[in-house]
Amino acid sequence: GAVVSQHPSWVICKSGTSVKIECRSLDFQATTMFWYRQFPKQSLMLMATSNEGSKATYEQGVEKDKFLINHASLTLSTLTVTSAHPEDSSFYICSASRSRDEQFFGPGTRLTVL
Amino acid sequence: EDQVTQSPEALRLQEGESSSLNCSYTVSGLRGLFWYRQDPGKGPEFLFTLYSAGEEKEKERLKATLTKKESFLHITAPKPEDSATYLCAVHAVRGSEKLVFGKGTKLTVNP
Repeated sequence: GAVVSQHPSWVICKSGTSVKIECRSLDFQATTMFWYRQFPKQSLMLMATSNEGSKATYEQGVEKDKFLINHASLTLSTLTVTSAHPEDSSFYICSASRSRDEQFFGPGTRLTVL
Repeated sequence: EDQVTQSPEALRLQEGESSSLNCSYTVSGLRGLFWYRQDPGKGPEFLFTLYSAGEEKEKERLKATLTKKESFLHITAPKPEDSATYLCAVHAVRGSEKLVFGKGTKLTVNP
C-alpha cells in the first residue's frame, strides 16, 4: 500500500510558541506533498504545496512566514506553525503524491493552542 | 475557478437501504475525479479515481460513476461500518497536482 504518517498525532501548546509537524511517506518517494487544514465539519482547505528541494507554494491568504514548510527529502516534509495563537487550533493533514494521479493522506495532527 | 459541490450534506440510511451521493463539478479540464472516505479525527482514505465520462469503478458495496458534469457514489446495501464522511475532489488538467475538494457528505447508517 501507500502509507503516509504524521507526527505528532496531537499537540497542545501555549500561545506564542512554535510547533513542528512531520509528514512522512513510508513506502514510496513523494516529490510533492501537500498541507491542508480542516476546521470542524468543514472540508479540507489546501494551505500549500511542497516540492522536494524547492520553496513551497502557498495558497492565497496563507501566511508563509507563519506556516513554514520544509521538504528536505523525498519522504519527509515538515510544517512549522510559528508564534501559534488560539485561532491556529485546527486539524492539519498532509498528503503525498505517488504519481500525478495518486494522492495519499496522513492521519492528521490535532493542534490545540491555549 | 474550479468548483466541487456535493449533495446531500448529510444522509441517514437504514442498514441495507441503498442510495447515492452526488458530486457536481466545474473544471476547465478534468484530469481526474477522486473519492475519499474520512472517519472522524482521521485523514481521508483513498477510494477511487475516475478519469473519463462513462467510467465506473467498484469496491465492495461502493460503485463510483462519472459523467461530464458529475459523479455518483452508489452505496448498495450499506452497513453501519460504512458510516463516514465521503469527500469528492477534482484534479484539473492545467496547473499542479492540487486537488479541489467538495465539502463532503456525512453518511450515517443505522443498524
